[in-house]
Parts: sequence; C-alpha cells; structure tokens
Amino acid sequence: NAGVMQNPRHLVRRRGQEARLRCSPMKGHSHVYWYRQLPEEGLKFMVYLQKENIIDESGMPKERFSAEFPKEGPSILRIQQVVRGDSAAYFCASSPSGGGAGYTFGSGTRLTVV
Amino acid sequence: RKEVEQDPGPFNVPEGATVAFNCTYSNSASQSFFWYRQDCRKEPKLLMSVYSSGNEDGRFTAQLNRASQYISLLIRDSKLSDSATYLCVVSNNNDMRFGAGTRLTVKP
Repeated sequence: NAGVMQNPRHLVRRRGQEARLRCSPMKGHSHVYWYRQLPEEGLKFMVYLQKENIIDESGMPKERFSAEFPKEGPSILRIQQVVRGDSAAYFCASSPSGGGAGYTFGSGTRLTVV
Repeated sequence: RKEVEQDPGPFNVPEGATVAFNCTYSNSASQSFFWYRQDCRKEPKLLMSVYSSGNEDGRFTAQLNRASQYISLLIRDSKLSDSATYLCVVSNNNDMRFGAGTRLTVKP
C-alpha cells in the first residue's frame, strides 16, 4: 500500500523555466491538497482538488501557478517562469473524504530556483 | 489575524520535562482539530486528533476549548526523540489549515 507519492524529490530550475510537480494520492483517496513551505516557515495552503475539479484555490498565487487533478494520472502543480522566491518545499496530501485524520502527506518536492 | 496561531518557540527543555504548547484559531465554525509532528526536512505526520472531551495517548495529552477557540498539547516525561516541530491543525469544510508550528528541542 504505497503512500502519497511525490516526484521529483528535488528539482532545480533556472529563473524563467517551468516547474512541474507531481503527486499520486494514496489508493482510494480522491481528495488532493497542495501546500508550500518556505525555509523556516510553516505550511501554507495552496489548493484543494478532487478528480477533475478545483474545490478551493484561495491559497494559490494569481499568476504563474496552476494545478490540476485529471481523471487519470497524478495531480500536477505547475509553476511557470519560476523566480527565486518560488524556492520552497511543496507538499501534497491526500484524503479519502476531505480533511480529517485520514490526511496523509507525501515526502515533498524541494524546488530550488537558481 | 492568522487562521491558526502558535507560539513559534523554540522550546528547549531537558529530558524528562513536561512541556505545553498552545494554539488559537480564528474560525469558530471549525470542525476538527489535530496535532501534527514535523521532523526537519520531512513531511508532517499526524500525532493525534483533538476532541472536546480531551484525549490522551501515552505521554501526550490534547485539549480543546471551543468557547475560547484554543487547543493545547501537553508532553510529559519528554524524550530526545520528541524533538521536532509541532503543528496545530484546524479543519473546516474538507480542508486543513496549519499553524506555523512550535519547535521543540529536548536536550540530554
């Protein structure tokens, strides 16, 4: 029973490039959440998705960031034209029914923009 | 006002000490409450849920005061392995909001 799988674990991008972060939820989980954690700071909610739907994107920056969770395949967090300030750990979590104790995190993707 | 506020610490305590963390939340409609633990450069992991009646799991005791919108975590007889950041989490309408965390270091 694989947990939440995120890849890549580490991603280095030059300023202006695109970053694509992938998250495969646990088997049977249809709710996916993305969080960003800046160095020495707490987790900041970005977006909550169910299959093919964005439920809450109140934490997403208005520009350059987008997320999807297609019917087939992993959830993707996409950052266009990355800047140094995008360097952070991006964690994905999934749950079977929305929130609650069934919430499980992936190991995160550490994005470094050089 | 932040949705979930915690004292960032750090708390530096000797082994065997009792330490308490506090957390307040702003949304009175919040439904579920949790404490998570995050080790350095790792993902957060659920430590325990928090119930209105209070609940205990070994050396850990969690309390919820809905009227004051306040959550606490008490760690007794602290161990070196308890060193981590403790995140207060509040859930409403299927999504979770995390506090910035309180850092604990337990020293020999």
